[in-house]
Amino acid sequence: EIVLTQPPLSLPVSPGEPASISCRSSQSLLHGNGYNYLDWYLQKPGQSPQLLIYWGSKRASGVSDRFSGSGSGTDFTLRISRVEAEDVGVYYCMQALQSITFGHGTRLDIK
Amino acid sequence: EVRVLESGGDLVERGGSLRLSCVASGFTFSNFAMSWVRQAPGNGLEWVAGISGSGGSTDYADSVKGRFTISRDNSKNTVYLQMKSLRVEDTAKYYCAKMAMAVIKTGSLDYWGQGTPVSVSS
Repeated sequence: EIVLTQPPLSLPVSPGEPASISCRSSQSLLHGNGYNYLDWYLQKPGQSPQLLIYWGSKRASGVSDRFSGSGSGTDFTLRISRVEAEDVGVYYCMQALQSITFGHGTRLDIK
Repeated sequence: EVRVLESGGDLVERGGSLRLSCVASGFTFSNFAMSWVRQAPGNGLEWVAGISGSGGSTDYADSVKGRFTISRDNSKNTVYLQMKSLRVEDTAKYYCAKMAMAVIKTGSLDYWGQGTPVSVSS
C-alpha cells in the first residue's frame, strides 16, 4: 500500500501570507504516461471534501488561482499564494496510482 | 449541475448488515466511475471502494475487503454499498463521490455528496 505523509499536522497562517503544505509518498506516483496521480482536497469545517488540484498541478474547475500544486515522483507541495479566512480547513493529499489512499491531512488555521 | 445524494445510513449492531445508496444526476452516469469514502468521527478520510463506469471493475480497501460489496445500476443512476459483518470501527460518515474518469485507477474524486452516517454499536 502506498503511504502518504503530510507534515505538519497543523499550520497557522496570517491572512494575506503564503502557505505551503507538503505531501510525501512512499512510492513514486509518476505514471508511465508522464502524469503524477496525486490530488489535493480541502475539507472546510462542516463540509464535504472538495477537489482542488489533480495530477499534481492541474487546478480543478472553479478553484481560485491562489492555489497551485507542484512536485513529481514522491514529493509534492500545495501552495496558497495569499491565505484568506475561507481557506481554513483540513487539506488532504490523495494518490490514485495504486488503488486509492489519502494522507492524514494538514489543518490550516488563521493566526 | 452535478448532484450526488447518499442515503441508507443507520444505527446497526455489531455483526449486522446495511446497504447504502447513492443517486447521482447532472452527468452521463455510466461514463464515470464512482467511489465510497468514509470518515470516522474526528478522523481523516479513508477510501473504501470504487466501481468503474460499466460496473465491470471494482476495488476495495483492505479493511473492508470480503465484507463490503460495491455495485451500480446505470439505469437508475445509482451506486450501492452493501456492508456485512459490520464492526464498531466501521462507524463513520460515508461519502459517495463521482470520479473524473470511467476507470477507478488514476481517477480523481471531483464531486462529493454530503454523506450518510453509519453507527455500529457493540
